[in-house]
Amino acid sequence: GQQVMQIPQYQHVQEGEDFTTYCNSSTTLSNIQWYKQRPGGHPVFLIQLVKSGEVKKQKRLTFQFGEAKKNSSLHITATQTTDVGTYFCAGPPGAQKLVFGQGTRLTINP
Amino acid sequence: KAGVTQTPRYLIKTRGQQVTLSCSPISGHRSVSWYQQTPGQGLQFLFEYFSETQRNKGNFPGRFSGRQFSNSRSEMNVSTLELGDSALYLCASSSFSDGYNEQFFGPGTRLTVL
Repeated sequence: GQQVMQIPQYQHVQEGEDFTTYCNSSTTLSNIQWYKQRPGGHPVFLIQLVKSGEVKKQKRLTFQFGEAKKNSSLHITATQTTDVGTYFCAGPPGAQKLVFGQGTRLTINP
Repeated sequence: KAGVTQTPRYLIKTRGQQVTLSCSPISGHRSVSWYQQTPGQGLQFLFEYFSETQRNKGNFPGRFSGRQFSNSRSEMNVSTLELGDSALYLCASSSFSDGYNEQFFGPGTRLTVL
């Protein structure tokens, strides 16, 4: 079936360092969404990318959607303790259900 | 607007019992999806409802079922509970008719099966 793989599974950084998580799909996605889940919380929508090669920025966060619409990345510049949480990518392969990646858990050493 | 609400927030059941979880979407949202979240499996799609019709279903056994009411509120039911059903069950609503765009998640119901 359709799969969305996300790496790394865990990432620990020093505050101020950069962080990147990658998402790869086995099939073309009509869009890619990114969510953040704080410890003990629920996933919160961050952004949606639709176009091939699209790049969007939200302050220190940069999101990219690959040319083939099968991969995506989230990059955080100069991490802060408020960035702690698990970051999920999700995409609907074609018109199918939303498939989530396994998530990247980010922890930060202040 | 009020967010997605789920009740109850916590539930403890024993094997063999059944459970019903409730979800009230954001006002005006007609698409409601359910997910199971476990540490080992991540977020797994259960099913999605739109206008009282189940439009898509994940790879879960028939013990997992759901429904949606005319006011878009949704319930999911798990019968004959197993230990492996212990998880956080998340409901998400969407304003988009295709249900595969921005999802607004509720706080979840944490189910523990003993």
